[in-house]
Amino acid sequence: KAGVTQTPRYLIKTRGQQVTLSCSPISGHRSVSWYQQTPGQGLQFLFEYFSETQRNKGNFPGRFSGRQFSNSRSEMNVSTLELGDSALYLCASSLGQLSGNTIYFGEGSWLTVV
Amino acid sequence: GQQLNQSPQSMFIQEGEDVSMNCTSSSIFNTWLWYKQDPGEGPVLLIALYKAGELTSNGRLTAQFGITRKDSFLNISASIPSDVGIYFCAGQLTPAGNNRKLIWGLGTSLAVNP
Repeated sequence: KAGVTQTPRYLIKTRGQQVTLSCSPISGHRSVSWYQQTPGQGLQFLFEYFSETQRNKGNFPGRFSGRQFSNSRSEMNVSTLELGDSALYLCASSLGQLSGNTIYFGEGSWLTVV
Repeated sequence: GQQLNQSPQSMFIQEGEDVSMNCTSSSIFNTWLWYKQDPGEGPVLLIALYKAGELTSNGRLTAQFGITRKDSFLNISASIPSDVGIYFCAGQLTPAGNNRKLIWGLGTSLAVNP
């Protein structure tokens, strides 16, 4: 069973640009969540999607957005990139939203903003 | 946002030693999860705990769900060099509305001296 797949793995952007990251969840998983990870800050929750609807949102500015498609694949977009957006962006999938459904992470997308 | 108190922040041990780390919270959780993250990779689920008092093992790893439901610990016995990485705890809430919320610790960085 394939795991969570994230693309691209590495990318470099310049300030002011926008970026789109993609995530394919484990087959059969309908919930996808996104996290930002920076050194010393741990995992910061961005948002969670279930059945194409955003169900939870973290405390990030509106420049960070996401969506989920009918096949459960998800994308996140960051507009007007800032240097501080450089981070590892992790996608995680789970079967659903019910308590007890553990989440499984992809390898992440490393974003560097210069 | 909310975070768990995870300690210690970092550990440097000799190969063969046992390791213990824990997470505490002022909130009650209904699930505790422990993940390990290798450098440059996404976190991988180690152990999931679903019931207060539950003690679960995965090879040399043992984790317990505290009876107060506000804490959890992870022990690693007879550490080996490949145990190096960052260990994260996560507590899961299911507040009203059935929207699961996952709260993360900041991680324990483990270094093992061969």
